[in-house]
Amino acid sequence: DGGITQSPKYLFRKEGQNVTLSCEQNLNHDAMYWYRQDPGQGLRLIYYSQIVNDFQKGDIAEGYSVSREKKESFPLTVTSAQKNPTAFYLCASSIGRSFYGYTFGSGTRLTVV
Amino acid sequence: SQQGEEDPQALSIQEGENATMNCSYKTSINNLQWYRQNSGRGLVHLILIRSNEREKHSGRLRVTLDTSKKSSSLLITASRAADTASYFCATDAYNQGGKLIFGQGTELSVKP
Repeated sequence: DGGITQSPKYLFRKEGQNVTLSCEQNLNHDAMYWYRQDPGQGLRLIYYSQIVNDFQKGDIAEGYSVSREKKESFPLTVTSAQKNPTAFYLCASSIGRSFYGYTFGSGTRLTVV
Repeated sequence: SQQGEEDPQALSIQEGENATMNCSYKTSINNLQWYRQNSGRGLVHLILIRSNEREKHSGRLRVTLDTSKKSSSLLITASRAADTASYFCATDAYNQGGKLIFGQGTELSVKP
C-alpha cells in the first residue's frame, strides 16, 4: 500500500542537540512539506519542496533545515538554534500543486528534555 | 501567515445531531479543502471544493463555498461518536505558490 511514513513516533532532544526527523513516501508524489503543530493550534509551514534538489522556506523556517536528495525522502533537522522545538511535526506530500489534496504522515512528537 | 479562521473553536453535540463548522479566509483562492485529525494523529483529507463550485457532497459531508464572502462551511449530518476529531480548513490561495495554508481548527466532540 502506498503511503507516507514518519519516524520516529516520539523523539526526545537534549538542549543543544540537533535531531533529524524522517519522512518517506512511496506515492510517487513530487511535492513534500513539513508542518509544525503546537497544542490546540493549526499547522504552520516550516519547509516545502516541489521537486528533487530544491526546497523553499515556509513561515517558520528559522532553526530548521531540510534536504531533498531523493523524490521519496524529505528529512527535517531541528537544530540547536530552534529555541522552542517541543511540538508535533507533520510531513505531507502531494502530486504537485494542492489540486488533489495532501497525504499526511502520522507525525513525530518531539520533546526537549 | 494564517489564511483561514475557523468558527467555532470547539463544538459539542449529541450523536445524531448535525455539526456545522465555518471557515473564513482573506485572499482569493484556487480551492479550499477540509481535513480531519484524530487526537495525536496525522490529518486526513476529506473534501476539496474549487473556487468555481458552490457546494459539494461526500457521504455525510456537505461543503459550501461563498467566494464573495470568502467563507466556507462543513456540515456533518447525523453525527456519530466516531466523528469526534479536529477539523481544519486549508486554502490554496493564488499567491501561495501551491502551498496549503491551514486554519486553527474546530474541535468536535460527539457524545453518545
